Formats: sequence, C-alpha cells, structure tokens
Amino acid sequence: AQSVTQLDSQVPVFEEAPVELRCNYSSSVSVYLFWYVQYPNQGLQLLLKYLSGSTLVKGINGFEAEFNKSQTSFHLRKPSVHISDTAEYFCAVSDRGQGGKLIFGQGTELSVKP
Amino acid sequence: NAGVTQTPKFQVLKTGQSMTLQCAQDMNHEYMSWYRQDPGMGLRLIHYSVGAGITDQGEVPNGYNVSRSTTEDFPLRLLSAAPSQTSVYFCASRPDSGFYEQYFGPGTRLTVT
Repeated sequence: AQSVTQLDSQVPVFEEAPVELRCNYSSSVSVYLFWYVQYPNQGLQLLLKYLSGSTLVKGINGFEAEFNKSQTSFHLRKPSVHISDTAEYFCAVSDRGQGGKLIFGQGTELSVKP
Repeated sequence: NAGVTQTPKFQVLKTGQSMTLQCAQDMNHEYMSWYRQDPGMGLRLIHYSVGAGITDQGEVPNGYNVSRSTTEDFPLRLLSAAPSQTSVYFCASRPDSGFYEQYFGPGTRLTVT
C-alpha cells in the first residue's frame, strides 16, 4: 500500500520569495506522483504530474517538482511566489496498476503575505 | 463538456437521516471515485469504481454505499448520517488507462447535526 507524508502543514512566505513544499511517499511498487492545488472554496486542480522520464517536472503557474527515487520524495518548488498562490497544496501517489488508487497527503497550506 | 458535476453543493442533515450525493461525468471515464476532505487529513478515499457494475472500498468506507449502473453516474449513499460524516465530499473520474490524472468535481459540503 502507498502512503504520502507532507512534511509541513502550513508554510507562510512573503511575496516574491522562493518556496518549497515537501512531500515524501512510500510504496513497494512503481508509482505516479501528482501535485494538486485547491484554492479557497474550490475543487482540486492538477498542478503537475510525474509519470516517467525526466525527474524534473514543470507544471502550471510556474511550479516545478523533482522526483527523487532514492529519497522517495517529490518536492514542489516555485522560485518567486505571488499572493494568488495562496492555497492548499496536496501531494498524491498512485500505483501503476490498472486499478491504481490515488492516495493523498494531508495537505500544505501556503500563505503568501505582501 | 461539463466535466464532473456534483449535486447538491450544500446539505444539512439530522443524525439518522439518509441521503444520496450525486456525481456525474460526461467524459466517458471508466474510473470514478469518492473522497472526503477533513481539515488536517487531506482527502481520503471512500469508494471507487473501475467500470459499470464494479465497485470497491477505499480507506474509509464505513457508513457509505455506492453503486455504478452506468458509466456516467456514481452516487454516494449515506444510510444513517452521523456527525462524524460532516465533511466536504469530492467525486473524481479518470480514464481507465493512460496517465491516471483525476478530474475533480466542485464538491458537496455536508453538515450532520
């Protein structure tokens, strides 16, 4: 079975500063990895995904994430955040089987201050 | 395409009442799932379905029933609501093969008093 741990429940940061949201996963099989964003009172939107190939994945809104198999991590980064990036971010993992279920981490609340 | 739709958006129930949360998708996706979102716990999988007539349990299935009679619809039934089921419920769907990206509905906020 897979599990996901997001190491920070809240990350406050000033506008235009860099940010890293940390995610570790555990799985006995090969996985797909995802980051989703949830803006206040909205549903979830896919930011980026790692399926295979290059370990550096670029997503929407200037976010990127790096897959590190040896450390079983998939940290999300942005070099310069905006107020509009204030949201909750979820890391998720799915095994590569046909019935692969998506398992989520607990979420990280990113708060960007002016 | 409307994508994934959920009704109602908000619902208040009394303890012991039953209700059905509706979910529909128009993308011809085989895989559909229900999650509940609670503060500090992320999204937890309740039930999922890999196609019409096939359902299975997720992490937190107790107190919920599902059925899948068509590809488009995947209703979630609360048989006897409890305050512990106060949550935001999300339905999601994805193609059966491919990249496993799930598309989420807008959610239903349920309060059980």
